[in-house]
Amino acid sequence: GAVVSQHPSRVICKSGTSVKIECRSLDFQATTMFWYRQFPKQSLMLMATSNEGSKATYEQGVEKDKFLINHASLTLSTLTVTSAHPEDSSFYICSATVGYSNQPQHFGDGTRLSIL
Amino acid sequence: AQSVAQPEDQVNVAEGNPLTVKCTYSVSGNPYLFWYVQYPNRGLQFLLKYITGDNLVKGSYGFEAEFNKSQTSFHLKKPSALVSDSALYFCAVRDATTDSWGKLQFGAGTQVVVTP
Repeated sequence: GAVVSQHPSRVICKSGTSVKIECRSLDFQATTMFWYRQFPKQSLMLMATSNEGSKATYEQGVEKDKFLINHASLTLSTLTVTSAHPEDSSFYICSATVGYSNQPQHFGDGTRLSIL
Repeated sequence: AQSVAQPEDQVNVAEGNPLTVKCTYSVSGNPYLFWYVQYPNRGLQFLLKYITGDNLVKGSYGFEAEFNKSQTSFHLKKPSALVSDSALYFCAVRDATTDSWGKLQFGAGTQVVVTP
């Protein structure tokens, strides 16, 4: 149980392209989803917290107009990297949890984004 | 504010020997503690959690962790390591008293290398 599917697993695209990443909870309803960014051999950096039906809360230093997050249903959240540039290249990971803070976050397998 | 320290960047152990990965934490309220494992180019897999109750927590794949409130530690242990346990391990903490969204603070990660 508690499976989170993230798609696509890898994206390679040209600078200036917008890229959408999907995160789905397959067998549970996720009231809260999180988006992280991870650099090589480093820990996860939280980008934003997304609650179903409301606007995402972004961490300090994360551009909300650059990284658009939509959480339209209890099973789907999307992250769109708008007008991506090479410095946006990274490993992006989503996680999902039910509404009780004693429950673990369940993670997708990540998306490797490479901007040429 | 909450924080997590994983003092070792890498732990090397021979297959069959005990494995310990150290974690200490700091929170202003009550801690919820988690351990995750990450394999290359994958998301994080949940191993175990401490919420309340017994200080010794048993989790997936033969791992366990001991919560020590006086030392503010939550070390991960496995009695007999396998080569397949080689991966990146993350300790995470959530402040149960102040956080209602389930945000996690991750440690920097510890690379475990198990040699045959």
